[in-house]
Amino acid sequence: GNSVTQMEGPVTLSEEAFLTINCTYTATGYPSLFWYVQYPGEGLQLLLKATKADDKGSNKGFEATYRKETTSFHLEKGSVQVSDSAVYFCALATRKLVFGQGTRLTINP
Amino acid sequence: EAQVTQNPRYLITVTGKKLTVTCSQNMNHEYMSWYRQDPGLGLRQIYYSMNVEVTDKGDVPEGYKVSRKEKRNFPLILESPSPNQTSLYFCASSSDRGEGNSPLHFGNGTRLTVT
Repeated sequence: GNSVTQMEGPVTLSEEAFLTINCTYTATGYPSLFWYVQYPGEGLQLLLKATKADDKGSNKGFEATYRKETTSFHLEKGSVQVSDSAVYFCALATRKLVFGQGTRLTINP
Repeated sequence: EAQVTQNPRYLITVTGKKLTVTCSQNMNHEYMSWYRQDPGLGLRQIYYSMNVEVTDKGDVPEGYKVSRKEKRNFPLILESPSPNQTSLYFCASSSDRGEGNSPLHFGNGTRLTVT
């Protein structure tokens, strides 16, 4: 079946550091790929998405590129801020959404 | 403001005492879903509903019930809660199951503890 694997957390960085959170997937067909973010005490909200191979999703300085050849959708940001501290979920969708286990990110000032 | 509202935010109960977690959305979405979030397991779908009076099991439906009598409401019912249902629960809605152009909109969660 379809599945998503994210890098283990927690991840702790200093402000202005470069961020990468790895995400790989297994799927039949051609899934859409998503990153959702969960800020403390809140529900998840869509951060970015890509619906076909080589598409790049971007939002709030975050980017992720749909790589079909490596079945990956890694999340990157060039300079993180304290306000980026949250849990990040990679997800794929064919007929339904399947979420990864989440990666907790903490940014220290 | 477009939102998904869950109540209560926190709930502590005892084994076997029936409870209901309410969920309401004001976006006229046809699709609604319940998830539970557990450490290391991400979000797992409990039940979903494609429209009024249409519900179906997700990945972990055992011990839960749902109903969809109105488009805006999708309550989650635990008839006889057990400690392994202690978790963080999220309700979500979308106009297209969240897989296409319309994202899933999530409530703020209900933290349930069953002792």
